[in-house]
Amino acid sequence: DTGVSQNPRHKITKRGQNVTFRCDPISEHNRLYWYRQTLGQGPEFLTYFQNEAQLEKSRLLSDRFSAERPKGSFSTLEIQRTEQGDSAMYLCASSLAETLIGNQPQHFGDGTRLSIL
Amino acid sequence: EDKVVQSPLSLVVHEGDTVTLNCSYEVTNFRSLLWYKQEKKAPTFLFMLTSSGIEKKSGRLSSILDKKELSSILNITATQTGDSAIYLCAVGNTNAGKSTFGDGTTLTVKP
Repeated sequence: DTGVSQNPRHKITKRGQNVTFRCDPISEHNRLYWYRQTLGQGPEFLTYFQNEAQLEKSRLLSDRFSAERPKGSFSTLEIQRTEQGDSAMYLCASSLAETLIGNQPQHFGDGTRLSIL
Repeated sequence: EDKVVQSPLSLVVHEGDTVTLNCSYEVTNFRSLLWYKQEKKAPTFLFMLTSSGIEKKSGRLSSILDKKELSSILNITATQTGDSAIYLCAVGNTNAGKSTFGDGTTLTVKP
């Protein structure tokens, strides 16, 4: 299966610790997105990359959050000094770049569930 | 800021019923509207709509976009228990690669 892969599946950590998540997109996709999802809400956009360039970052995103995609393939999302409010499912998605016709469908990974104790 | 509102928030029906899910949006420079189905984990793509009035259909599911009303509907006929899921609507604009998602409609289909 060559879908989007995320690791770890579940992360439990104490408040104040740093955590890092990894996403491996579908290999031919040049776009990679990070979202956060809490219970009862839709995915909330965090940031996205085209190849290795980070093209947009949500205004709501604290400076404790940083994402990289150094070689335009896999990406990491790091949260520093975690807080209770960071508990959520972190979803990664990948796609081809949009065309003149419309946005390309995003293919999602199964997510990393972060629990802050 | 782009905004997507879905209704109803949740819906409980019995197998064989037909359901209509609604999505309305406010977005600058609209490009497309996408529907996704989310079961326990990752959302999976259903439809992408870019033109008003053209129905997209896949089996028992169909969807249509109304750009004048800034809305879309997703219809599911002859529902089955396997249709139980959260249905997410997302919109993309021409100035950004990201999609803005609604909070979804949770559909429960009882046997």
